[in-house]
Amino acid sequence: GQSLEQPSEVTAVEGAIVQINCTYQTSGFYGLSWYQQHDGGAPTFLSYNALDGLEETGRFSSFLSRSDSYGYLLLQELQMKDSASYFCAVSAGANNLFFGTGTRLTVIP
Amino acid sequence: NAGVMQNPRHLVRRRGQEARLRCSPMKGHSHVYWYRQLPEEGLKFMVYLQKENIIDESGMPKERFSAEFPKEGPSILRIQQVVRGDSAAYFCASSPVAGTNNEQFFGPGTRLTVL
Repeated sequence: GQSLEQPSEVTAVEGAIVQINCTYQTSGFYGLSWYQQHDGGAPTFLSYNALDGLEETGRFSSFLSRSDSYGYLLLQELQMKDSASYFCAVSAGANNLFFGTGTRLTVIP
Repeated sequence: NAGVMQNPRHLVRRRGQEARLRCSPMKGHSHVYWYRQLPEEGLKFMVYLQKENIIDESGMPKERFSAEFPKEGPSILRIQQVVRGDSAAYFCASSPVAGTNNEQFFGPGTRLTVL
């Protein structure tokens, strides 16, 4: 089976940097994805890491260490609109995604 | 290019009725996935389909739930004899044949309320 752990809540100040960690246990592993979901909205794709290292896309970066079964999402220059839930998800085979329970990020002025 | 479409957006059913949720994937996408999300929780994988085939239904409850993706028309998630515990948001996602980054595109969801 699959299990993922991420913090349930994080609060950060506008303009700051925040890191959301994700550890996983899975019987098969193809990659780690991150999705953003605003209240009442649909999840939207942020990033995908299949190999170790850092992937950067604008203000967001994602990191993966396969040997440690660990990844993180880094958000820089936080804006109020970044307040949302962030989910890590593992691809364990085929195209299926197994999601963590999400981290609710609150950005304060 | 329209995104993933789901309807209805909101559905109210009484216990024992049937719920039918529809999903039209993005144009050119042949893979469809259904997820269920309870309030304040993550998305739980239910089923993965390609046209006319169920690829993985390991997340589907054994009874009352079924899914299809016919050759023509939208994918359908069907819940028979609904119970209060079925109240949740049901999201459909789609992906192209061979995505390189494993991205799935989500629809706006159907919020099912069982009275």
